Amino acid sequence: QQPVQSPQAVILREGEDAVINCSSSKALYSVHWYRQKHGEAPVFLMILLKGGEQKGHEKISASFNEKKQQSSLYLTASQLSYSGTYFCGTEIRSSGDKLTFGTGTRLAVRP
Amino acid sequence: EAQVTQNPRYLITVTGKKLTVTCSQNMNHEYMSWYRQDPGLGLRQIYYSMNVEVTDKGDVPEGYKVSRKEKRNFPLILESPSPNQTSLYFCASTSGYTQYFGPGTRLTVL
Repeated sequence: QQPVQSPQAVILREGEDAVINCSSSKALYSVHWYRQKHGEAPVFLMILLKGGEQKGHEKISASFNEKKQQSSLYLTASQLSYSGTYFCGTEIRSSGDKLTFGTGTRLAVRP
Repeated sequence: EAQVTQNPRYLITVTGKKLTVTCSQNMNHEYMSWYRQDPGLGLRQIYYSMNVEVTDKGDVPEGYKVSRKEKRNFPLILESPSPNQTSLYFCASTSGYTQYFGPGTRLTVL
């Protein structure tokens, strides 16, 4: 079952902040975040593991609420280069390395 | 350069004509996957492979086949393509917690 992302789309001015949410109905082992620019392949941003460990992009932060099975991606002081579609991918313990991706959040940053 | 390659990048074909999309990685990764991406539906996994000769179905395997005879290659086979398989396809190779995606293959089935 795909995780649910919100909002579906957001438009920002350069320098503004945004939060993208990802929620699952299943107990999660990890949450992964990817960004896809138009016409390109998705690129890994970061992973949040059960227990609090995070690994990934230096300028992007995220949180993982294990009790609520939710993750949020925080984009602060947005830059034009942040534009793209953001996907969360969720992993449950019993699925091994299988990721199930959400439907994506389109982010547009305007000058 | 570490990379995942796919061929062809673009393909227009007709219903029922068998086709193969190749995927190759030069990073010696064991785990590889195929996804399809459709507007509003995100990335959905078709098949995955945990190692040579080990493959399993993802979320949307109907109409597709895969094989993994060598670690570096993971081709996707459509034996009898139909219009509902028109989509953007991505191959991915996994190391640790990171998936490396290929550039994508845009397939149109008429």
